[in-house]
Amino acid sequence: NAGVTQTPKFRVLKTGQSMTLLCAQDMNHEYMYWYRQDPGMGLRLIHYSVGEGTTAKGEVPDGYNVSRLKKQNFLLGLESAAPSQTSVYFCASSYTFHSPGDYEQYFGPGTRLTVT
Amino acid sequence: GDSVTQMEGPVTLSEEAFLTINCTYTATGYPSLFWYVQYPGEGLQLLLKATKADDKGSNKGFEATYRKETTSFHLEKGSVQVSDSAVYFCALGHMLGGGNKLTFGTGTQLKVEL
Repeated sequence: NAGVTQTPKFRVLKTGQSMTLLCAQDMNHEYMYWYRQDPGMGLRLIHYSVGEGTTAKGEVPDGYNVSRLKKQNFLLGLESAAPSQTSVYFCASSYTFHSPGDYEQYFGPGTRLTVT
Repeated sequence: GDSVTQMEGPVTLSEEAFLTINCTYTATGYPSLFWYVQYPGEGLQLLLKATKADDKGSNKGFEATYRKETTSFHLEKGSVQVSDSAVYFCALGHMLGGGNKLTFGTGTQLKVEL
């Protein structure tokens, strides 16, 4: 049981290049999330998905796209990378809730992305 | 909107010292409150949680009590160890289409020295 895994662990891009970050979970979770972590700002939600084939915007979605073609995978795409997208990206997943507030999100190890 | 405010770090303590990391929040309704811990080079792990007012969450010697009257969820531990060195995030959770939207504080780095 690997939990939540992310690929790649590190990446350096030039401005304008594109890339896709892959998140995979083996816990049969319905919900998946992408966050970015920046110094002094905590984690901010980029996009999320409440099930296979569905996605929605979080608080900082601009410049990113996502897809959830399979329940276990959640992809984050950068079509034209910018230096402002230099960050650490975390994927998370969670169960459908059974009682209000009584659930947790499980996080992957992160991808460190640098855009030059 | 929702927000979480944590004390700034880094916090440096000697082993066996008492730890308090302050966390206050602003939210509508009745959020759940969480403390997550991030060890160097790793993702976040849930440390403890509380789902309603006056609940106390506890795990690995850490405790936090959900205080609705002061909108606070301070993290405490009676005797810290070097292995507790990490970044601690306070977060509040609200419903998000059936899932859980987490709003995080900025994190507090804890360094414990021998």
